[in-house]
Amino acid sequence: EVQLVETGGGLIQPGGSLRLSCAASGFSVSSNYMSWVRQAPGKGLEWVSVLNSGGHTYYADSVKGRFTISRDTSKNTLFLQMNSLRADDTAVYFCARGHYYDRTPMGGFDSWGQGTLVTVSS
Amino acid sequence: DIQLTQSPPSLSASIGDRVTITCRASQTVYNFLNWYQQKPGKAPKLLIFAASRLQSGVPSRFSGSGSGTDFTLTISNLQPEDFATYYCQQGYSNLYTFGRGTNLKI
Repeated sequence: EVQLVETGGGLIQPGGSLRLSCAASGFSVSSNYMSWVRQAPGKGLEWVSVLNSGGHTYYADSVKGRFTISRDTSKNTLFLQMNSLRADDTAVYFCARGHYYDRTPMGGFDSWGQGTLVTVSS
Repeated sequence: DIQLTQSPPSLSASIGDRVTITCRASQTVYNFLNWYQQKPGKAPKLLIFAASRLQSGVPSRFSGSGSGTDFTLTISNLQPEDFATYYCQQGYSNLYTFGRGTNLKI
């Protein structure tokens, strides 16, 4: 069974740093493209970052230069290092597994974690 | 970045109704367009991928159509469990984007 479990959220002051983890089971994070998606309170979904199976990374303009996505294949875990946090980074952060059809990446996400809340406030 | 304009932002309907939600992309995404359902406090759920393909386990009353820049999600014979927020998402560009969502209310 595919499962994603995010941890690492919490209350952090503006300018601070936080690292989110997403522990995967039932599949290999290194064989899939994996993303972080966030949702501010009462707002819509915002794509944050993707790490593809080839190791390439991409970021939304809103987080580029501040956030870093990575993975640890030995732990089968995806990470999001968040630096220089701002109030508008406050959100539930979801990790999501890339969706393949007939071994072709379809650009969507078919499994999601439950999310972890990051609150940036003084 | 590719922008997705989703409409309407909210929609009221009744059990048994048929509803349509539209999603327009600022440039072509070919058929790399996905639809999700999200209920309060839950993670999104993939409903439709490649614009018109039904994800495994999703009821056949959900359907998608379109290509290029204009897409629709149709829900026929609305059931109580269908009242939720729906999002489109493009996966053509490596800079993925979501629409702003449509809140489907009773």
